[in-house]
Amino acid sequence: GAGVSQSPRYKVTKRGQDVALRCDPISGHVSLYWYRQALGQGPEFLTYFNYEAQQDKSGLPNDRFSAERPEGSISTLTIQRTEQRDSAMYRCASSSRASETDTQYFGPGTRLTVL
Amino acid sequence: AQKVTQAQTEISVVEKEDVTLDCVYETRDTTYYLFWYKQPPSGELVFLIRRNSFDEQNEISGRYSWNFQKSTSSFNFTITASQVVDSAVYFCALTVAGGGNEKLTFGTGTRLTIIP
Repeated sequence: GAGVSQSPRYKVTKRGQDVALRCDPISGHVSLYWYRQALGQGPEFLTYFNYEAQQDKSGLPNDRFSAERPEGSISTLTIQRTEQRDSAMYRCASSSRASETDTQYFGPGTRLTVL
Repeated sequence: AQKVTQAQTEISVVEKEDVTLDCVYETRDTTYYLFWYKQPPSGELVFLIRRNSFDEQNEISGRYSWNFQKSTSSFNFTITASQVVDSAVYFCALTVAGGGNEKLTFGTGTRLTIIP
């Protein structure tokens, strides 16, 4: 596709359930980033990949959060045993180069609500 | 550590007025990049501009202009002759170069409302 796509756009789940959020980056983009944005705040970094390798996961809040990008394209962010505090907008971004700073283009986000 | 401060939480102006959104950043790195993104009511995050730390030239794009001043660690954004479609939340962001991880540090955003 022309831009970054994310699915689902909205997810409502009950506390304790697992959720999987998907990101499909711009074709050919080697770097992929996950951010979380609370209401009224700017996005905060969670983790990033170059190709299929997860290079930095320092922003993941705890071990209930994990991410993968097995073939270097689509990525999945998984939250296990969701809690109400996980409610937020989850944003994915991609950029074209792995070794040089480049612009990150964002997807539309997944709005997660944990009841 | 990097930090971005957008002190203006909300701004309202009447259509056709000019408005400036402030952004102050902190970093110890000498090579870094600054960005502005727009988040319209529909919720997506739209890239507006990228500026590296070695290029202090101001930039103009239509009604938009950006003033980068390293001496005051500021990267301000001005909209001239504002329009209702400019209503959005605007984020300033910073990343440092090198190492391959260009994670962005965002400010808390400025909500701009253009009154028709």
